[in-house]
Amino acid sequence: GAVVSQHPSRVICKSGTSVKIECRSLDFQATTMFWYRQFPKQSLMLMATSNEGSKATYEQGVEKDKFLINHASLTLSTLTVTSAHPEDSSFYICSAPPSGGSFGNQPQHFGDGTRLSIL
Amino acid sequence: AQSVTQLDSQVPVFEEAPVELRCNYSSSVSVYLFWYVQYPNQGLQLLLKYLSGSTLVKGINGFEAEFNKSQTSFHLRKPSVHISDTAEYFCAVSEVNAGNMLTFGGGTRLMVKP
Repeated sequence: GAVVSQHPSRVICKSGTSVKIECRSLDFQATTMFWYRQFPKQSLMLMATSNEGSKATYEQGVEKDKFLINHASLTLSTLTVTSAHPEDSSFYICSAPPSGGSFGNQPQHFGDGTRLSIL
Repeated sequence: AQSVTQLDSQVPVFEEAPVELRCNYSSSVSVYLFWYVQYPNQGLQLLLKYLSGSTLVKGINGFEAEFNKSQTSFHLRKPSVHISDTAEYFCAVSEVNAGNMLTFGGGTRLMVKP
C-alpha cells in the first residue's frame, strides 16, 4: 500500500539550530501534504498545507517564518524549523492523501513522525 | 467549519472486555468519518472509515464503528480487547468534496489491563 516516509525520526539539538524534516511519498505522487504538530497527550494540530509548486497555506497562529515549508517535487515536502528554541520541541507528523484523492474520501497516509527536542 | 469531540480522554478496560470509544462531530455540511490509531512515537494508522452506505463499518484488528447521523456520532467498538490494543485513538472528519483536510478529535487513550 501507499507509504509515507518521514525522516529523521528523532532530533536532539541545541537552541538556535535550524532543523529540516523530510516527508516523502514512496510509491505515489502527492500534490498536497499536510504538516501537523502534536504536544504530549494531545491531538494533532494542523500547521500547514504544503502544495507542490506553490506556497504553503498556514493555519492561523502558525509563524510561516519560523516553520518554512518547501514542496519542490511531487514526492517530497520539507518542514524547516528555523532557529529552534525549547518551546518548539514537539512531535511533528506529515501526511498525504493518495494519488487522485482530492474529495476528502481518501484516508490520508501518515509518516511515523519526528520527535524534536531542543535543549 | 467542523469540530470533533471525543468524550473520554482515557478509557481503562480489562483484557477480553468489550470497549466503546465515543466520538461526536458537528458540521454544517456532509462529512466523511475516520478512526485512526497511534502507537507510541509513531504516526497514525487508519482503522476504518465511513464514506457512505451501510452505517456499520468494519475495520482492522476487529474494530467496528457505527455512523449515527441523527446523533452526529461515530463511536468505535471492539467486542474483546487485547493488551496490544493499548494506544491512542483519534476520530477525524473531512468535508465532502472539499479537499482532504482532516479535523481531529482530542484523542482517547485506551489502556488495556491484564
